[in-house]
Amino acid sequence: ETGVTQSPTHLIKTRGQQVTLRCSSQSGHNTVSWYQQALGQGPQFIFQYYREEENGRGNFPPRFSGLQFPNYSSELNVNALELDDSALYLCASRSTGSPYEQYFGPGTRLTVT
Amino acid sequence: QKEVEQNSGPLSVPEGAIASLNCTYSDRVSQSFFWYRQYSGKSPELIMSIYSNGDKEDGRFTAQLNKASQYVSLLIRDSQPSDSATYLCAAFYGGSQGNLIFGKGTKLSVKP
Repeated sequence: ETGVTQSPTHLIKTRGQQVTLRCSSQSGHNTVSWYQQALGQGPQFIFQYYREEENGRGNFPPRFSGLQFPNYSSELNVNALELDDSALYLCASRSTGSPYEQYFGPGTRLTVT
Repeated sequence: QKEVEQNSGPLSVPEGAIASLNCTYSDRVSQSFFWYRQYSGKSPELIMSIYSNGDKEDGRFTAQLNKASQYVSLLIRDSQPSDSATYLCAAFYGGSQGNLIFGKGTKLSVKP
C-alpha cells in the first residue's frame, strides 16, 4: 500500500449538491494531483497542487476546485454536481523532481443521483 | 492533443505464459512512462517506470521503450491468475508542473 489516504471511501449525492473529498499525501511528497476515473476509462487529470497553489489543470470546469494545506494534504471540491460527475476520484502524490512517479490513494467512489 | 492508446482487450493467456501489453503515445515530448495495475474496484498501483530506450526488468515484469516508434510495452512472464487485472499505460508530460496522461487500459485475464 502507498502512504496516500483518501476519505470518504464512498459517497452518494444528489444532482446540484456540493461535495468535498480529502487526501493526505505520502510522507515526503509535496505535490498532490487529482484524477477522475469514469467506468471503463483511464484516469483523467483534474488539477495539481504544489506549495498550496494550483500549478496545473486539465480540461475540467471551474466548479471543480481544490486546496492544499501546509502539511501537503489536499481537498477536491465539486459544486453543482451533475450525473456525469459519478466516478472514482483518485488522489496521487509525488515529490517535485524527476522521475515523477505518482502513487495513488484508494480513491473515493462518488455516485450522483 | 496528447494521447496514449492501448488495446482494451480483453487479453486472455494461460497460466505460465507470457502476457504482452502494448501502448503508443502521440507526443514525442514525454520522457517518462509508467505502467499501473488496477484490480477491479481498486485504485491504480504503480508497477513499472521507464525513461530510456530499451528494456527494464523487475522480477517477472519487463518494460520496453522505443522512443523512435513512440511505443511502450509490458511483458509479464510466468503469468499467474493473480495477474488478472486492467493494466494502464501512462505518459508524463510537463516537467515539475506536469501530469500523467493515461490510456484506457488493457484488461488481462490469466486462465488457470
